[in-house]
Amino acid sequence: GAGVSQSPSNKVTEKGKDVELRCDPISGHTALYWYRQRLGQGLEFLIYFQGNSAPDKSGLPSDRFSAERTGESVSTLTIQRTQQEDSAVYLCASSLTGALEQYFGPGTRLTVT
Amino acid sequence: AQSVTQLGSHVSVSEGALVLLRCNYSSSVPPYLFWYVQYPNQGLQLLLKYTTGATLVKGINGFEAEFKKSETSFHLTKPSAHMSDAAEYFCAVSDVEAGRRALTFGSGTRLQVQP
Repeated sequence: GAGVSQSPSNKVTEKGKDVELRCDPISGHTALYWYRQRLGQGLEFLIYFQGNSAPDKSGLPSDRFSAERTGESVSTLTIQRTQQEDSAVYLCASSLTGALEQYFGPGTRLTVT
Repeated sequence: AQSVTQLGSHVSVSEGALVLLRCNYSSSVPPYLFWYVQYPNQGLQLLLKYTTGATLVKGINGFEAEFKKSETSFHLTKPSAHMSDAAEYFCAVSDVEAGRRALTFGSGTRLQVQP
């Protein structure tokens, strides 16, 4: 079946612009996660959605970052007024309710010039 | 707070040699531990996981890992490296019992396999 998909695969933007990154989770997966992977580093947790519960936003680095999810489907991560330090690969993952395994998408590579 | 340390950002082995990638964690509660592999320009793929029970866990592609509570370690091994094993490997911990399902990752180890 289809895996987690993300778009765009690459995004180059100018400092100060807003960007939106999209994640389509695996159908039926109620949990959705966003992570950030800076060059040469591990993944940092950003935000977690589980069904209709309030999201866990504890990993968002600043108020320029926000994310939405409609029901148990698509999620968008928005970064406002992008800065050069936002350059990274943004990875989305999804999982079934109660499951430990997270399935990752290929990521969106964001470059802020 | 939980954390994961991967010793060695780069490991190089010869084809057919033993692969050993090290992972140590800290967690205030019994952890759930994972190894993921990332091939170039691809997402992460789960290799194996430890939750409870048997401390030696077998995963895909001939990899296995052993949970050692006394050493707070979860090292990844493979008896004989193959060229296709060249990738980046991430150890991760989940603090589910503390209500935190998000994974905390180590900084990764890039495995090179020499012919």
